[in-house]
Amino acid sequence: DAGVIQSPRHEVTEMGQEVTLRCKPISGHNSLFWYRQTMMRGLELLIYFNNNVPIDDSGMPEDRFSAKMPNASFSTLKIQPSEPRDSAVYFCASSFSGSSTSYNEQFFGPGTRLTVL
Amino acid sequence: GENVEQHPSTLSVQEGDSAVIKCTYSDSASNYFPWYKQELGKGPQLIIDIRSNVGEKKDQRIAVTLNKTAKHFSLHITETQPEDSAVYFCATGGTSYGKLTFGQGTILTVHP
Repeated sequence: DAGVIQSPRHEVTEMGQEVTLRCKPISGHNSLFWYRQTMMRGLELLIYFNNNVPIDDSGMPEDRFSAKMPNASFSTLKIQPSEPRDSAVYFCASSFSGSSTSYNEQFFGPGTRLTVL
Repeated sequence: GENVEQHPSTLSVQEGDSAVIKCTYSDSASNYFPWYKQELGKGPQLIIDIRSNVGEKKDQRIAVTLNKTAKHFSLHITETQPEDSAVYFCATGGTSYGKLTFGQGTILTVHP
């Protein structure tokens, strides 16, 4: 298995530009999670999906952030417009969850390092 | 919502010593307690987990203990090696489609 795939691995952009981060979860997994990691705030959960449906987006910092999961094998996290304080490493993770109270190992992707100048 | 506190934030030990990292949580409904290791430039990776019906679990040099009454759990690494140097995260879950709440992380440094 290829694991969770994220692209791009590195992104450098200028303030005000739109940024789109991409994630392909492990085949067969039905829960997908987007995290942001910074030195100051640690590992923050932004949003998560189950069976392509957003379950909780309360971690999304502002309306500038949006996420979609059009099918079971693809998700995007978009920032528009981007700001320097959005600079961080963004991780996507996936797992299989058979019900609202079931749980299994979350597998993380390698992350996307975003720098907004 | 769930709150997970992790201590210490940094831990420095000599090779061969033991290392202990502790976490407390607030949501009594949590029933899954994984530990993740993050190496530089990589995503976190599960190293051991424990479920609420078990008090202790061991895997070679790594062990986790759980006290549900007190709402705390700990990671124990024995005979530490330089390759154990990394950031370690505790987490809780089991309440919403696999969602995990992570602690703040512990930077472990093992000196040769």
